[in-house]
Amino acid sequence: GEEVAQTPKHLVRGEGQKAKLYCAPIKGHSYVFWYQQVLKNEFKFLISFQNENVFDETGMPKERFSAKCLPNSPCSLEIQATKLEDSAVYFCASSQSPGNTEAFFGQGTRLTVV
Amino acid sequence: AQKITQTQPGMFVQEKEAVTLDCTYDTSDPSYGLFWYKQPSSGEMIFLIYQGSYDQQNATEGRYSLNFQKARKSANLVISASQLGDSAMYFCAMRGTNAGGTSYGKLTFGQGTILTVHP
Repeated sequence: GEEVAQTPKHLVRGEGQKAKLYCAPIKGHSYVFWYQQVLKNEFKFLISFQNENVFDETGMPKERFSAKCLPNSPCSLEIQATKLEDSAVYFCASSQSPGNTEAFFGQGTRLTVV
Repeated sequence: AQKITQTQPGMFVQEKEAVTLDCTYDTSDPSYGLFWYKQPSSGEMIFLIYQGSYDQQNATEGRYSLNFQKARKSANLVISASQLGDSAMYFCAMRGTNAGGTSYGKLTFGQGTILTVHP
């Protein structure tokens, strides 16, 4: 597709429940990036993929968070046993290369943990 | 490590006037790219402009220009002829490279500046 597609747009989970977010990168883009935006300003890098391989996971919390990019499937970000502090907007971005002059962002998934 | 600082939490500008949004950065990477994104109240991230650290000319895209001063480590965004639709949050971001010249890929963002355009 011509845009980064993220689903769902909104997700509400009770504390302790699992949350799974999806991202379909732009066709032909090999790199996928996940970011967490808390409180409308602070962006935190989580993880990136080169095709189905992890490219950089330095921002990924060691516990409860996992992500995958499998061939012919949307990429996914999963949070086990959600906590209130996980409430944020999760953005996915894709690009053709890690050094591209632009990364295209999806619309984001707003996760609310209650 | 990279750091982006946007010191203006909020800025106001009159419609049709120009406004400058400040961005300073700190990095030891041999080369890097600087980005500006706009985030309207609807939440999406809209790419505005890019400046490479070795680019000789300051980047321009329509009403947006980037005032890049490498020695001062600043990459300010200038919006000319402001429009009401420019009211949004603006983020400065950086992407660096390692010593081998490979990009890290990930963006490091500043805290953002909320721009309000008054009629």
